[in-house]
Amino acid sequence: DQQVKQNSPSLSVQEGRISILNCDYTNSMFDYFLWYKKYPAEGPTFLISISSIKDKNEDGRFTVFLNKSAKHLSLHIVPSQPGDSAVYFCAARSGNTPLVFGKGTRLSVIA
Amino acid sequence: DADVTQTPRNRITKTGKRIMLECSQTKGHDRMYWYRQDPGLGLRLIYYSFDVKDINKGEISDGYSVSRQAQAKFSLSLESAIPNQTALYFCATSDPRDIQETQYFGPGTRLLVL
Repeated sequence: DQQVKQNSPSLSVQEGRISILNCDYTNSMFDYFLWYKKYPAEGPTFLISISSIKDKNEDGRFTVFLNKSAKHLSLHIVPSQPGDSAVYFCAARSGNTPLVFGKGTRLSVIA
Repeated sequence: DADVTQTPRNRITKTGKRIMLECSQTKGHDRMYWYRQDPGLGLRLIYYSFDVKDINKGEISDGYSVSRQAQAKFSLSLESAIPNQTALYFCATSDPRDIQETQYFGPGTRLLVL
C-alpha cells in the first residue's frame, strides 16, 4: 500500500512558466513533508519542507502548499528555469520513522 | 569534501557473488539508511540504523544484510547477488535533533548484476 503517491511520472513546462508538482498521501499521522530534487548521477538533495501544522511554506522560487483535508500537497516553481529539470520526490514522515518517498516526477523545463 | 560518501560508485558483478557497498559520513549523524532506486519505483528503504547497536529492516530487506561498524559507517551486503538487484543504491543520514529530520544522501552506487 503506497502511502505517498506522485501520480504524474513526468511534466514538461516552458521556461519562465509555473511548474506544479503534485503529491497525495494516505497516512493522516504524517507530521512533516519534504521535497527532494535529484539530478542524474547524483543523490537526492533536500529542497523544501512543510510541517503538518502549516498550509504554505515559501523559499525563493519554490513554494509548497499543504491541504490536509484533501491529503494533498503541491510544489510550485515560479518562474521555472532549465536548471530545474530533474526528478522531484515527495516524502513524508510520522513520529520517529524513516521518510516514505513517492515514485518521483520528472520535470523538464524547455527553453 | 562530500559529507556522505559511497564506495564503489559503479560495480558490475555476476549472479551468485557476494558484494558489499560501503557508506561513510562526516556529518556526525546517528541515523543511517540504505535505499534502492529503480525506474518508476522511486526510493525504497532496505535497512536503517538509528545508532551503532540498532538495525531495522525496511520495506525490501530480503536478499540484503547490513553492518553498522561505527557511527560513521554503514555497509550493505548482497550475500548472493541476483539480476533483479540491479539498481541504484543510496545511503542517507539524518540527525534526530532536527525537528523535521531531513535526510542527506550520498552520490549513489550503480550496481549491475549479470
